[in-house]
Amino acid sequence: QKEVEQDPGPLSVPEGAIVSLNCTYSNSAFQYFMWYRQYSRKGPELLMYTYSSGNKEDGRFTAQVDKSSKYISLFIRDSQPSDSATYLCAMRGGGADGLTFGKGTHLIIQP
Amino acid sequence: DAGITQSPRHKVTETGTPVTLRCHQTENHRYMYWYRQDPGHGLRLIHYSYGVKDTDKGEVSDGYSVSRSKTEDFLLTLESATSSQTSVYFCAISESGHKPTGANVLTFGAGSRLTVL
Repeated sequence: QKEVEQDPGPLSVPEGAIVSLNCTYSNSAFQYFMWYRQYSRKGPELLMYTYSSGNKEDGRFTAQVDKSSKYISLFIRDSQPSDSATYLCAMRGGGADGLTFGKGTHLIIQP
Repeated sequence: DAGITQSPRHKVTETGTPVTLRCHQTENHRYMYWYRQDPGHGLRLIHYSYGVKDTDKGEVSDGYSVSRSKTEDFLLTLESATSSQTSVYFCAISESGHKPTGANVLTFGAGSRLTVL
């Protein structure tokens, strides 16, 4: 079992819809959780990060962490065609751990 | 991309030839990383550096070596390229890196697309 599981998609939704992207993980030591967005032929860029459980909101984006279920989500409200990209979750524990990435979900917002 | 320059951006080479990819940063960050990204595998860490001349192996380090003689430059070398090393290579930098606390937020370069024939 991989440490981080993420559905690769593609996930196709109409413009204006609420999008839900998710990752599950198995390592209970993970404490820091991030979402990166990657446009085609570009490097990933950080969207949001959260520490431990709870919600964090930034404009149209909300990151949610449920450590008891080992499940993290990214919600996008009022989705736009410019949100079409691959979304990667990433996480780490404490100590000298590096980041563990999910494989990414390819999201398509249809105009 | 936020003070990170990767070169070359595209390279086609033949099996058995040596290849060096360069990552240059202007942020003066201590930590630098090399990842490869492949369909079905996502991002995988090859090597990372936590200071000048200080490097360590990542998940997929076989067939790769790195060097860091200056804070701003991190080189990735494929001594004898193989077709399995065809990939997109990303350099990343981090201010906090592998410290015990903190998210270790990475800033990525634009990538170097390598094709080994």
